[in-house]
Formats: sequence, C-alpha cells, structure tokens
Amino acid sequence: AQSVTQPDIHITVSEGASLELRCNYSYGATPYLFWYVQSPGQGLQLLLKYFSGDTLVQGIKGFEAEFKRSQSSFNLRKPSVHWSDAAEYFCAVEGNAGNMLTFGGGTRLMVKP
Amino acid sequence: DTGVSQDPRHKITKRGQNVTFRCDPISEHNRLYWYRQTLGQGPEFLTYFQNEAQLEKSRLLSDRFSAERPKGSFSTLEIQRTEQGDSAMYLCASSLGLAGNEQFFGPGTRLTVL
Repeated sequence: AQSVTQPDIHITVSEGASLELRCNYSYGATPYLFWYVQSPGQGLQLLLKYFSGDTLVQGIKGFEAEFKRSQSSFNLRKPSVHWSDAAEYFCAVEGNAGNMLTFGGGTRLMVKP
Repeated sequence: DTGVSQDPRHKITKRGQNVTFRCDPISEHNRLYWYRQTLGQGPEFLTYFQNEAQLEKSRLLSDRFSAERPKGSFSTLEIQRTEQGDSAMYLCASSLGLAGNEQFFGPGTRLTVL
C-alpha cells in the first residue's frame, strides 16, 4: 500500500528566505505525486503535480518540486517566501483505487516578518 | 462560482444523532471523492463514485457511514449514531477521473459531536 511521510510537522522561516518542505513516499510503481496547500478556512489547493517527464516541476505561486526516484522523495521548494505563504502543506501520492489520494500528515509553515 | 461546494459548512450535533452532508461537484466531473481530516492530520480517503456508481467503499470507517450519488451529480455522506470520535472535517473533491488529474476540493464540512 502507498504511504507518504512529511518529516517536519512545523517549519518557521523568515520572509524572503528560501524554503524546502520534505516529502517521502512509498509506492510500488511510478507514482503520481502532488503538493496541496491549505490555508485556514480554505479548501485544499493544488500547487503542482508530477507524473512523468522532467523531474523538476513548476507550480503556482513560485513553487517548484523535484522528484528523486532513488530517494523516494518529492520535496517542495520556493526561493523566497512571502508572508502569505503561511499555511499547511500536504504531499500526496495517487493510488490505484479510483485515483484516490494518500496524503502525508502535513507541514505547517509559519513566516516571520 | 463553478467550484466544489459543500453544505453545511459547520454542523454541531449530539452523540447518537444522525447527520447528512451534501457535496456538489464541478458539473462536468464524473468522479467524486469523500475524505475525512482530523485535527493535525492529512485528509484520509473514505470512498469515491464514478458517476452514480460507488466503486470503492471499503475505506469507510464503519457501517455507520454511508454515501450516495443518486443521479451522478451531487452526493451525500451520512453518519448514523454519531460518536465523539466522528468529530472532524469532511472534505469532498471531484475530478475528471483520469490518472494524474487534479482533484478539486470543496471547503469542507466541520462536524462537532458533543
């Protein structure tokens, strides 16, 4: 069965600093991988996804993620964080049963002024 | 607005009562999913529909949980004889049902069982 681990429960960065959120997955085949963001009172919004091709994928709001098969990782990065990026971030892998998503536990990002 | 909508947004109920939540997906989406999210955790898959057919329901948490999508459009999730442990956010998502396609999530229904 697939699983996703996000090792960092909370991360605090200063505004303007770079950001990397870690995600490790377990899946038997080539995975479809996603990063979603959830702000308070908002629904989950897709930032980016990977399913084939270039291992560096670009998303919305200046985010990117790199798929590394050898490390079973799909880390999310942003070169310069804005205060509005404070939110909870979820990594997910798509499974076989109806394309259901298996989510990690999430990483809460706080941004210091 | 053509996004996924859920109703109600908040529900407070007493233990033992039945509750029903509604989800209206994006109109052209044939797949509809239900997830549950407890505090501090990621969403957990419950069940999904392809049009009106419920194709996976083994992940529903107990036989107190049931879902329907009678005409392949909106869906309802019912919890019978609610327990305090059912308190959570219930999320609905819809998609075009192809591998790798984005699931669009609604704002969720927050259930509190007293």
